[in-house]
This record gives sequence, C-alpha cells and structure tokens, in this order.
Amino acid sequence: QLQLQESGPGLVKPSETLSLTCTVSGGSISSSSYYWGWIRQPPGKGLEWIGSIYYSGSTYYNPSLKSRVTISVDTSKNQFSLKLSSVTAADTAVYYCARLDYEEVALDYWGQGTLVTVSS
Amino acid sequence: DIQMTQSPSSLSASVGDRVTITCQASQDISNYLNWYQQKPGKAPKLLIYDASNLETGVPSRFSGSGSGTDFTFTISSLQPEDIATYYCQQYDNLPPSTITFGQGTRLEIK
Repeated sequence: QLQLQESGPGLVKPSETLSLTCTVSGGSISSSSYYWGWIRQPPGKGLEWIGSIYYSGSTYYNPSLKSRVTISVDTSKNQFSLKLSSVTAADTAVYYCARLDYEEVALDYWGQGTLVTVSS
Repeated sequence: DIQMTQSPSSLSASVGDRVTITCQASQDISNYLNWYQQKPGKAPKLLIYDASNLETGVPSRFSGSGSGTDFTFTISSLQPEDIATYYCQQYDNLPPSTITFGQGTRLEIK
C-alpha cells in the first residue's frame, strides 16, 4: 500500500525558508504514471495547490506562489521536497504531499499532513 | 486563470436525504473536474475523477455529473459518516500545469 509521509520543522520564523520533505513508501517515485504534489490548508480554510513535480524534475507551480517556491525530487531516496522562501504568518498551514495520478489526473494518495506555523 | 465557484458553502441535511453540491468553472474545462471529501483533522480523500468516475472503493451513493462549466456532486442517501467538507478541483490540461480547488462545502447533519 502506497504511503506518503511529510517531515520537517513545525515552526519557522518570518522571512526564513520553509522546508519539507515527503517520503514515499510502497511504490516508486520514478513511475511514469504519476506526478507528485504539495497542497496546503491554512487553519479553518480551504485547500490551495502549491505545485507538482515529475520524477524527471519537470515542475509546475501555482502562479501566486511561483516566485517563492521550489519543488525538487530525489529518486534515490524516493523523496520529493518543498522549499518556500520569505515566509510570513499567511503561510501558516497544514502542508500535504500527494500523488497525482496521470491517468485519472487526480490526487489519489495523500500524506497525513504536517502543521507549519510561521512565528517569531 | 480559471476560477471555481462552489455552492453552497454549507449545508444541513437529514440522514437519508439526497444532497447536491455544485461547482461552476469560469470557462470550459471539459470534464477536468474531481471531487474530494475531507473529514476533520484528516487529509482529503478522492471520491470522483473526470467529473463522473467513481474512485475504486467509494460507495455508489456518491456520484458526479457535468461537463464544460457546470458540475454537480450528489449523495443519493446521506449517511452519518458522510459528514465532512467536500471540495471540487479542476485542472487545466495534460499534464496539469494548474490545479484549482473550489472553496468547499461543509455538510452537517440536521
């Protein structure tokens, strides 16, 4: 059974860079059938797509975050990562990693999510 | 950018009721529309993909329809375990370079 697990600091200071890693187990991140994505959800609010990456390294980003976001992949570790720079309190959210099935074009497996709080 | 308008934002219904949620796109998105269920404190769960296809293992009381700009999500007979927030989500093309979620519909038991 495929599993995704987010990891990283739960507290980040304003103006610093948020860094998270998603570890994929039970399947290969190098499969040609999937993209891998990051989605976030501020407390009490809706879902926001951050971006997606293919195992080859091709990326797509939310235009509203593009200037601050970098998503990368490490196929040797079966992981992909998120970096969000110059964070503010507005970036406080639960961050989810997920698999984007290329055939269904839907997010069919999700991590449990990790809360990242931006505060000094 | 394609905007998604989901309604209602909240809904109260009784067990056994038929429940309908709509999602409208600002431009034609063909059938590039998925529906998710999110229970409190949990990650979203995919229910419907490509507007009307039921994800494996999802109960048949859930269904979706529509194409172009107008989409509908239906629960044919509401069950207590269906209490959750539901989101529509669109993508623009293949591969999806932009993904947008609707604002969500919070479903409660009356």
